[in-house]
Formats: sequence, C-alpha cells, structure tokens
Amino acid sequence: DAGITQSPRYKITETGRQVTLMCHQTWSHSYMFWYRQDLGHGLRLIYYSAAADITDKGEVPDGYVVSRSKTENFPLTLESATRSQTSVYFCATAPLGTNEKLFFGSGTQLSVL
Amino acid sequence: AQSVTQLGSHVSVSEGALVLLRCNYSSSVPPYLFWYVQYPNQGLQLLLKYTTGATLVKGINGFEAEFKKSETSFHLTKPSAHMSDAAEYFCAVTGKTSYDKVIFGPGTSLSVIP
Repeated sequence: DAGITQSPRYKITETGRQVTLMCHQTWSHSYMFWYRQDLGHGLRLIYYSAAADITDKGEVPDGYVVSRSKTENFPLTLESATRSQTSVYFCATAPLGTNEKLFFGSGTQLSVL
Repeated sequence: AQSVTQLGSHVSVSEGALVLLRCNYSSSVPPYLFWYVQYPNQGLQLLLKYTTGATLVKGINGFEAEFKKSETSFHLTKPSAHMSDAAEYFCAVTGKTSYDKVIFGPGTSLSVIP
C-alpha cells in the first residue's frame, strides 16, 4: 500500500528553469494539497484540489501552477524557478474534505541555485 | 481570515516531565482544530483533532489537547515526556465546511533531555 508518493525526493535546479514536482496517491481521496515548509513559517498552502479538474489557490500560489486531470495525480509546476522557492514541498490528501485528517507524503526538498 | 500562533518555536523538557505546547487561533467562525507531529525527514501525522462536542480531546501517544473558546486556545499536553516525543509539532485550524483552507501554525520543535 504505497499511499502517497512524492517524486523526486531531492531536486537541485537553477534559477529560471521549469520544475515539476509529482504527487501520486493510491487511495482515491477526493482532496489533494500542496504545502511548502519553511523555517519560521511552518506549512503554507500553495494550491489545493477538491476533485479532478477542480483547483483553488492557497496562501502562496504565485509562481506555481497545478493541474489535476486524474484523481490520483496532482503535479506542481514552478514555471520559472526562483531562489525564494527553495523549500521542502509536501503533498497531502484527504478523503472527503479539508476539515478531515490530512495524509502527508514524505516531501520533496527543492534547492534553486 | 484564520490564523494560528504557536508560542515558543523551541521547547525543551526533561524526560518524564510535563509537555505543554501552546496554540492560539483566530477565526471568525467556530473552527476545527488539529495537532500534527513531524518526525525528522518525514511528513506530518495527525495527533488529534477537535471538531465539536467534548472540549478535551485525547490523541495518540498519550497526548491530549483542550479547546478553550474563551481563550481561543488549543494547547497540547502530555503528562510525562518520552525521548521518542522529540519532534516538530504543528497546530492547524480550518472551518467546518469541507472546502475551507487548512492553515498551519509555524511549529514548535520539542526536545526531550534525558
């Protein structure tokens, strides 16, 4: 039972490059989320999705793009990476709503040089 | 807008001592409240949650939290700290609808001294 799989686990890229972080779930949970974790800020919501083809902005969406064509996948794309996007990124899921327990992946550590 | 504050970015306790991690929230509507724990190099795991009903909520690993509406607080406690409790703890708030955003606090790092 894989649950939530995030890939890659670690990524180093350069300023201006496009980067896509992958998130795949095997539970068929309706809701999926992307958070970034930074020291002193905790977790901040980037985007979330209630179902396939339904996405909404979180607290810090600028510079990020998401899509959800299939229930199980929720990729996060940095269109033109900046150093301020160096962070640890977590994907999470919830079965039926945001007011439930969130299930988190292991995270992707992204460094933008 | 909802927000969460956690007093103390770092807390140290001795093994066997009381653990108290503080969380205060602001919300225009009665919230749902959560505590999550993060062990090194892992994602977050749910410790406990408050939705409605009893204001004292018991969670896993001996943790509990009390919802105090008058103080807008949801502090996490454990009577006796164990070395395995060393981790990062996050308080989170959301609304009662299924589509409200989940907002996390900045986190408190707990160290347990042998």
